[in-house]
Amino acid sequence: DIQMTQSPSAMSASVGDRVTITCRASQDISSYLIWLQQKPGKVPKRLIYGTSSVQSGVPSRFSGSGSGTEFTLTISSLQPEDFATYYCLQHSSYPRTFGQGTKVEIK
Amino acid sequence: EVQLVASGGGLVQPGGSLRLSCAASGFTFSTYSMNWVRQAPGKGLEWILFITSSGNSILDAASVRGRFTISRDNARNSLYLQMNSLRAEDTAMYYCASGDFYGGGTYSLHDVFGIWGHGTMVTVSS
Repeated sequence: DIQMTQSPSAMSASVGDRVTITCRASQDISSYLIWLQQKPGKVPKRLIYGTSSVQSGVPSRFSGSGSGTEFTLTISSLQPEDFATYYCLQHSSYPRTFGQGTKVEIK
Repeated sequence: EVQLVASGGGLVQPGGSLRLSCAASGFTFSTYSMNWVRQAPGKGLEWILFITSSGNSILDAASVRGRFTISRDNARNSLYLQMNSLRAEDTAMYYCASGDFYGGGTYSLHDVFGIWGHGTMVTVSS
């Protein structure tokens, strides 16, 4: 199974901050990487697919990059509505595996 | 509106069974593979099952193998999860989510995990 390791597991940030979340795969997954956002009590929402394609309707402050085993989700200027938990997900092989999540909290 | 609506969750005793449903609308369900994903209270997301658009192929996670079964009825635009021999550790919110698209000779990953149902809660407890 491919292990997905996210860092950090939690972070505190202020509105306007640039936030970077990293996801590392235990083996090469090419560009088969998705980023999801989940707010408490809500359904996960896809933000980024194919490593760097931004989901329709998602603000342009969200971006994704990487390939192979190292991937990054960047929020260029954190907004109040961005406080949530973020997950990476690999769909290169089965079983599909998620990162453990990164909780972004208000500083 | 593109929508997945999950239902069928509830409280069940250890060793019991439950069948979840996921009703699709607003898109051509029969051209999409589908997944079930679950989330234990306060925990992360776990993929558990996949089924191709035709229903001919299924893949499962080790944690549910031999106990859970995925199926679909394309005529009813519905996805199912049959859960048997339930354990306390199966307590979770269960989500259905879209997979890849295959229709008219075209294959696409555009909507992979892009459509999620609102989830249905399963609690296994005596």
